Amino acid sequence: GNSVTQMEGPVTLSEEAFLTINCTYTATGYPSLFWYVQYPGEGLQLLLKATKADDKGSNKGFEATYRKETTSFHLEKGSVQVSDSAVYFCALSATNDYKLSFGAGTTVTVRA
Amino acid sequence: NAGVTQTPKFQVLKTGQSMTLQCAQDMNHEYMSWYRQDPGMGLRLIHYSVGAGITDQGEVPNGYNVSRSTTEDFPLRLLSAAPSQTSVYFCASSYSPDSFKRGTIYFGEGSWLTVV
Repeated sequence: GNSVTQMEGPVTLSEEAFLTINCTYTATGYPSLFWYVQYPGEGLQLLLKATKADDKGSNKGFEATYRKETTSFHLEKGSVQVSDSAVYFCALSATNDYKLSFGAGTTVTVRA
Repeated sequence: NAGVTQTPKFQVLKTGQSMTLQCAQDMNHEYMSWYRQDPGMGLRLIHYSVGAGITDQGEVPNGYNVSRSTTEDFPLRLLSAAPSQTSVYFCASSYSPDSFKRGTIYFGEGSWLTVV
């Protein structure tokens, strides 16, 4: 079946540090890949997405590249802010169904 | 525009009790779904619906029922609550199944359920 493996947290960083969260996936066919963000007390919001190999999704300074050869979709941000403190989820949508498979989530805390 | 509204936000149940988590959206979305979020496990799909009158099981459907009699509402029923159902529940909707596959999904704020 489809699955997503995400690096375990929690991750604690200082402001302006570089953030990377690893995500790898297992799926048949050509899934779409997503990063969602969950701020404290809120539901999930789509952060960025990529729908085919070598696509780069980007938003709010975050980037992730769909690497089919390594089945990865790592999230990166060059300079984090306190407001980036949240839980980040990697997810995939397979080509043949209407279900999202989520990773376990990574809690990121950015200190001033 | 209220988006996706979940009620109640917090609930404590005794083992064996039944209850319904309500989910409503005012965006005329075809696709609706329920997830549960547990520590270290991410979100897992319970049930989903691609339109009024159509429902299907997700990854963890046991112990839960759903119905979709209207486009707007997608209630989740716990038939006989168990401590293993202690979790945070999220309702999510999308304009269409294809919008869902593109990741354009709106989540509710969550319902915290404790079963004692």
